[in-house]
Order: sequence, then structure tokens, then C-alpha cells
Amino acid sequence: AQTVTQSQPEMSVQEAETVTLSCTYDTSESDYYLFWYKQPPSRQMILVIRQEAYKQQNATENRFSVNFQKAAKSFSLKISDSQLGDAAMYFCAYRRGATNKLIFGTGTLLAVQP
Amino acid sequence: DVKVTQSSRYLVKRTGEKVFLECVQDMDHENMFWYRQDPGLGLRLIYFSYDVKMKEKGDIPEGYSVSREKKERFSLILESASTNQTSMYLCASSFAGAKSYEQYFGPGTRLTVT
Repeated sequence: AQTVTQSQPEMSVQEAETVTLSCTYDTSESDYYLFWYKQPPSRQMILVIRQEAYKQQNATENRFSVNFQKAAKSFSLKISDSQLGDAAMYFCAYRRGATNKLIFGTGTLLAVQP
Repeated sequence: DVKVTQSSRYLVKRTGEKVFLECVQDMDHENMFWYRQDPGLGLRLIYFSYDVKMKEKGDIPEGYSVSREKKERFSLILESASTNQTSMYLCASSFAGAKSYEQYFGPGTRLTVT
């Protein structure tokens, strides 16, 4: 069975600094997708970034980028120039290509210090 | 903008009561999902539906049932609420197939069973 592991329950970063959130996953599939979702306090969860396993290039969305290491089954999220609005719970998620179901990690709570 | 709404933000019920959680989406999505979110456990899939009247069990279906009579509406039913069902419940929706990259989430219902 596929699993997703986030080993950092909490992280903290200074405003304007860079922070990296870790995620590892376990799968024997070759066709899959990886996602980072953000859940701000008392607000709806939103998609931050996604990575298709067949793409070698790391995905980037403005200040958010990933480091996708397929052989190591690692998918970390880097947030550059951190802002107060980045404070949230971040979930890493995996989806096998042919299915609609997401498997989530346990989340990392990110605090941004002014 | 995609909108996923849930009938209540907060709900308090007594043990043994029948509880209905409603979710409505306005994007004509084929897929709808119910998750349960608990600290340290992340999000776990309870049920999902890929079409009207069609449903599939997720990872933790015990004690829950679902109903999807219309495409835009997906209901989660706790037949006889128990204290261990106290949790945050999140609804999500997505397109099916190749367009299903992103799941869109509702704001959540925090259910307390006393």
C-alpha cells in the first residue's frame, strides 16, 4: 500500500527567509502524481503545487517550488521569501495515476515569524 | 471560482443521534469525496462518489454511509453517532479522468459528539 510520510510536525521560519518542508512516499507504481496542499487557519484547503512523476523537471509556482527525487521517493516543498500569509498546515499528498483517490501525509504546521 | 460549501461549520450532537453532513459543489464535478481530519493523522478518506448514485468505500468507512442523489450534492450520514466520530469533516470535489488534477475542498464541519 502507498504511504506518505511528513516527518516534521511543526516548522518555523522568519519572514522573508526560505523554508523547506519534507515529504517522503512509498509506492511501487510508475504512474503517479504528488501534491502539496495548504490549509490556512480556519480557511479552506487549497492546492499549492503538483508534480507528475513522469516529468523530470521540478514544478514551480511563484515562490513555491519542489525538489522531486524520484529514486529516493522524496518530494520536498521550498517556500522562498516567506510571508505571514504562508502560515498554515501543509499536507503532502500522493495519487496513483489511474485513480481519483488522494493519500495524505500527517501535515506540517508552518509558523512565520515577523 | 469553484465553490464547495458544507451545511455547517460547527455541529454538536449527542451519542446515538443520526447525523447528516451536506456538501454542495457548483462546478459540475463528477467526483466528490468525504474526508475526516484528525491531529497527527492527516486526512483520511471515508467515501467517495464518481457519479450520481455511485459510491466507493475509502479507508475508514465503518460507521458512515453516503448518499448522492444529484450530481452537485454529496451527503455523509452517521447512522448512530459515537464519541469517536468527533472530528473535522472535509468535503472535496474534482473532475474525473485526465482533468482531475486538483481536488477542491469545502471549509469543513467540526463535529462534536457528546
